[in-house]
Amino acid sequence: GENVEQHPSTLSVQEGDSAVIKCTYSDSASNYFPWYKQELGKGPQLIIDIRSNVGEKKDQRIAVTLNKTAKHFSLHITETQPEDSAVYFCAASYAFGNENLTFGTGTRLTIIP
Amino acid sequence: GAVVSQHPSRVICKSGTSVKIECRSLDFQATTMFWYRQFPKQSLMLMATSNEGSKATYEQGVEKDKFLINHASLTLSTLTVTSAHPEDSSFYICSASPIAGGQRDTQYFGPGTRLTVL
Repeated sequence: GENVEQHPSTLSVQEGDSAVIKCTYSDSASNYFPWYKQELGKGPQLIIDIRSNVGEKKDQRIAVTLNKTAKHFSLHITETQPEDSAVYFCAASYAFGNENLTFGTGTRLTIIP
Repeated sequence: GAVVSQHPSRVICKSGTSVKIECRSLDFQATTMFWYRQFPKQSLMLMATSNEGSKATYEQGVEKDKFLINHASLTLSTLTVTSAHPEDSSFYICSASPIAGGQRDTQYFGPGTRLTVL
């Protein structure tokens, strides 16, 4: 089955700086890679996703890059703000299979004002 | 769009009682809904996949008689924790995948239900 590893587990960034979270996956058949933001006591919120037919996707301050050959993908947050503080999860799935998501272990991002 | 609700948001019950958690997709129809369990400071663990009109598919190690899932319509799935015990205390989260419009693999999550069994 799929295995997703996520690094770092914790990340502290000065407000205004950029944050990068990296994930690797094991199953080359995986073709869908979402990122979720989870605030304390709440459910995960989809913030961006990428499919294997593209290498990069951007939405305002958030971007995701995908390297299929190396089987890794990264989340980039620029101009970080205090409200970006949360736990971020990456995930992977094979869209034409059972569509189950395999999650990474999460990264606790803290933005220092 | 793509809003998923859960009810209740928080429940405290006595050991031995059963608790039902509802998951609704508010502005889309979902053939498939997923139930997850999350322990403090850990990732999400898939418990089961719920398909409308058919039996749920449970992950290895998840007791189907303990965690009853019913997906009665394209907008509602329920999880019943039967004869709950303190070790069942956890954060339960559902997600739903839209039938149309988006990709079938996109999952939108509910806000979660905090279950505490005394």
